[in-house]
Amino acid sequence: GAVVSQHPSWVICKSGTSVKIECRSLDFQATTMFWYRQFPKQSLMLMATSNEGSKATYEQGVEKDKFLINHASLTLSTLTVTSAHPEDSSFYICSASHAAGGKHEQYFGPGTRLTVT
Amino acid sequence: GQQLNQSPQSMFIQEGEDVSMNCTSSSIFNTWLWYKQDPGEGPVLLIALYKAGELTSNGRLTAQFGITRKDSFLNISASIPSDVGIYFCAGGGSRLTFGEGTQLTVNP
Repeated sequence: GAVVSQHPSWVICKSGTSVKIECRSLDFQATTMFWYRQFPKQSLMLMATSNEGSKATYEQGVEKDKFLINHASLTLSTLTVTSAHPEDSSFYICSASHAAGGKHEQYFGPGTRLTVT
Repeated sequence: GQQLNQSPQSMFIQEGEDVSMNCTSSSIFNTWLWYKQDPGEGPVLLIALYKAGELTSNGRLTAQFGITRKDSFLNISASIPSDVGIYFCAGGGSRLTFGEGTQLTVNP
């Protein structure tokens, strides 16, 4: 149980284009999903918290107009990197929060490797 | 903001040896989670801890939630080559703060 998928697993795009990444919880409903980015040999950096049916909460320093997040259903959240630039190249990972009995556990997707040329 | 100090940063051990890593925080956490990440993959949840003093095992892995709620450790016993990877601690509740990771290398 608690499986999270991401699509695509990798994408190469040209500078100035937009890229959409999907995150799905496959066997549970997730009212909250999280988007992280990770640079090589570094830890995960939280970008935003996505709640179903409401606006995402962005971490300090993350541009909400550049990283558009939509959480339209309890099993799907999307991250769109708009007007991508080479510095946006990174490993983007989503997680879905599974809460039961007051306990919160985050389950991660396999990640999406974005390369902007 | 909240910060987690995870140590050691890296470990090189022989197959069969036991491993210990820990995380400390300047803040109190209600939850401690331990994850393992393989290259090019997302982190996989290993152990979740919810109560101060709690000691939980998952196969060869054992983790404890510190009494002060500001620290946690993870032990791996009788390491095997597939234990190679990066181990992250994470503290929080609905929102997690991650440690910097411990890179584990196991020599056969």
